[in-house]
Amino acid sequence: QKEVEQNSGPLSVPEGAIASLNCTYSDRGSQSFFWYRQYSGKSPELIMFIYSNGDKEDGRFTAQLNKASQYVSLLIRDSQPSDSATYLCAGGGGSQGNLIFGKGTKLSVKP
Amino acid sequence: DAGVIQSPRHEVTEMGQEVTLRCKPISGHNSLFWYRQTMMRGLELLIYFNNNVPIDDSGMPEDRFSAKMPNASFSTLKIQPSEPRDSAVYFCASSPRDRSTDTQYFGPGTRLTVL
Repeated sequence: QKEVEQNSGPLSVPEGAIASLNCTYSDRGSQSFFWYRQYSGKSPELIMFIYSNGDKEDGRFTAQLNKASQYVSLLIRDSQPSDSATYLCAGGGGSQGNLIFGKGTKLSVKP
Repeated sequence: DAGVIQSPRHEVTEMGQEVTLRCKPISGHNSLFWYRQTMMRGLELLIYFNNNVPIDDSGMPEDRFSAKMPNASFSTLKIQPSEPRDSAVYFCASSPRDRSTDTQYFGPGTRLTVL
């Protein structure tokens, strides 16, 4: 069974700091990776996707992909209390076929 | 534009009853997904449709679960008979592309409680 692993947290960072969220995946053939944000009681909301090795930046968010090491990370710069949520990592396109979601990392940004 | 629409938002039922969850995908999207989310197991794919055809139903837990997509704008997930272990949040998602590994947009979910 292919898996996507995340530290469940909670990860606590002070307001204004950089939050670093990490994810590893077992299916070496995976090609597509996504980060979703899920507020408590709400549905997952897409933040970013990344397909190629390296960094991809969008505003305060940077996704990093390292296929050789099979990890994906999400950096949130200048963290705000409104960033407090659970962040889901998802990967797919390998032998497993469909997207597989990690169980999420809970982030808490303290004012 | 309207996002994915799900109904009902909350459902409380008793064990043994039939439950039907409904989903309207984003207009023009080719793929539709049903997921179940629990604290223990996280977000699990139940079934995936492409152009109204079921492509992968390997995640459907057992014969008590069934899903249909009679047209491009409507899908149902039915549980009959329901059991307490089916209690979870059920999400419907849609994607504009044909592959199951492209960006998916989630509906608000249906919180199901089976007593």
